[in-house]
Amino acid sequence: DTGVSQNPRHKITKRGQNVTFRCDPISEHNRLYWYRQTLGQGPEFLTYFQNEAQLEKSRLLSDRFSAERPKGSFSTLEIQRTEQGDSAMYLCASSLVLAGGPREQFFGPGTRLTVL
Amino acid sequence: AQTVTQSQPEMSVQEAETVTLSCTYDTSESDYYLFWYKQPPSRQMILVIRQEAYKQQNATENRFSVNFQKAAKSFSLKISDSQLGDAAMYFCAYRSPPETSGSRLTFGEGTQLTVNP
Repeated sequence: DTGVSQNPRHKITKRGQNVTFRCDPISEHNRLYWYRQTLGQGPEFLTYFQNEAQLEKSRLLSDRFSAERPKGSFSTLEIQRTEQGDSAMYLCASSLVLAGGPREQFFGPGTRLTVL
Repeated sequence: AQTVTQSQPEMSVQEAETVTLSCTYDTSESDYYLFWYKQPPSRQMILVIRQEAYKQQNATENRFSVNFQKAAKSFSLKISDSQLGDAAMYFCAYRSPPETSGSRLTFGEGTQLTVNP
């Protein structure tokens, strides 16, 4: 399967715990995005990487959130001291940026986080 | 900031019939892209159709077509000959030009489409 993959697919944690999600983009894609989707809503942008550089972060990304993309390949999203309001689906998407501009974003299946 | 509004939380259609999903957006940019994404239950989001704002011709992909009204900032999706597999949440999305906002997508709230046999 050469699509975007995310692990784990589901995560249940207790309030105050730290969690980490992983996203593996399509191999040749140089741009990677993280979105958050709460129940009944559309996804909201969190952050994006161009290769290994994190170029933009949404104000939704509080200090408890950190994302990395070492070596411009897979990416991780860590949430420290989770709160119940963090419960959501976390989506990863990747795209290929060429001279003519970015192409379509391909989405992964998401990681559903439940904070008890 | 750009906003996307989908005013129909739920829609239903009979199999083989046609349905139109509405989307409006607000932007001050002149060059942008619009998309419709489909999110089936417990499955990942896939692109249905895209429209470049500089193109006057409405995009078409098989049974899916759009009605893009740039002046009215309206971007509706028409699904013809609806099939059971079309049942999903549909999201309208806006993307700024490549040189701004990292080409992030701004999504609407979604429209849940039910296809009745």
